[in-house]
Order: sequence, then C-alpha cells, then structure tokens
Amino acid sequence: AQSVTQPDIHITVSEGASLELRCNYSYGATPYLFWYVQSPGQGLQLLLKYFSGDTLVQGIKGFEAEFKRSQSSFNLRKPSVHWSDAAEYFCAVGGYNKLIFGAGTRLAVHP
Amino acid sequence: DAGVIQSPRHEVTEMGQEVTLRCKPISGHNSLFWYRQTMMRGLELLIYFNNNVPIDDSGMPEDRFSAKMPNASFSTLKIQPSEPRDSAVYFCASSLAPDSRYEQYFGPGTRLTVT
Repeated sequence: AQSVTQPDIHITVSEGASLELRCNYSYGATPYLFWYVQSPGQGLQLLLKYFSGDTLVQGIKGFEAEFKRSQSSFNLRKPSVHWSDAAEYFCAVGGYNKLIFGAGTRLAVHP
Repeated sequence: DAGVIQSPRHEVTEMGQEVTLRCKPISGHNSLFWYRQTMMRGLELLIYFNNNVPIDDSGMPEDRFSAKMPNASFSTLKIQPSEPRDSAVYFCASSLAPDSRYEQYFGPGTRLTVT
C-alpha cells in the first residue's frame, strides 16, 4: 500500500540553525515525491518535487531535499532557518494522478 | 491570476443542515481536487475531476457527500445532512492535468464547523 510517514509531529529550532525534516514513503514503483508548506490559515504551497534524475533537488525559499531510494526517504533540509519558515510541512507521494500526504510536521522557530 | 478561490472561508452550521462549499479553479486548469483536512486523519483526497468529469470519488466518505463540476470554472462540494464529525477544513486544488507531475495549486480552504 502507498503511504507516507513523517516521524516528527513537532520540531523546534532556533533561528539561523539548520533544519532537516524526515519523510519515508512506501510505494510500489518509482515515486513522484513532493514537499508542501502550509502557513497558518493558508492553503498548501509546493516547495519542491522529485520525479527522476539528480537525487538532490532545490526548491523555493532556500529548501532542498534528497531522494534516497535505498532508505525510501525524501528528507527536507534548509541550512539556516528564518522565523518566517514557521509553518506545517507535508511530504507527499504521487503516482499518475493521486497525491498521498503525510501527517505533517509542525515547525516552530525560536528567535 | 487570482489563484484558486474558495467560498465561504468559514461556515458554521447546525447538525442536519445542508452545506455547500464552492470552488473556482485557476483559469486553464483541467483538473480539480477536493481535499479534507482534520487533526485525526490529516489531508485526504475526497474526489477529483478531469475536464469537468468525476474521475475518482473513492475518498468521498458517505452518500451525504456529493460534488459537481458543471463547468470548467466552478465546482461545489455538498454535505446533506451535515454532522459534527464533518467539521474540518476543506481544500480545493487545481492543476493543468491529473498527472501528479503537474503542480496542484491549493485554495485557502473553507473551515467548516458543524454544531
């Protein structure tokens, strides 16, 4: 069965610190992988996506993610977090048409 | 472009009442998706349309839920009768095609509270 696991429900980091959000997936074929961000009271916005090719993908707002097939992971990273990055982050896996979302990780940023 | 537009942004209704949520996709997008977000179940796909035709409604929880897309610029999600467990945020998203390689653009959501 297709599924996405985000092991961390909440993460708190200090502004300027590095960030890594974990995502593991289960999918029967080569997956399409996505990270979305949701700010309070807003819809979801796509940060980055992976379909094929280079396993390190760059996204908006300084985020990047690395696809590791052997670990079934697609972790999101940012070298230096800004207070405006406080939000909820969703990893998703997709086949031809459907997206399956993880439960989300809520990021808090301390000044 | 104004993005995906949803109305109302907030809806409070009593159990047993009919609720209609509305969505206007981005112009030129052929696919439209309805999602529900709750604390317990996260973000779930309810139904999606391609070229105004419902393609997959397997996520619709019960017969009380129905969705229509009478034209390329408008869709509704109706709950009749509503129940307290339907309280959630409902998102509409649109994309150029149902292929998940095309980015889905989400609306701001409708927060539904059923008392």
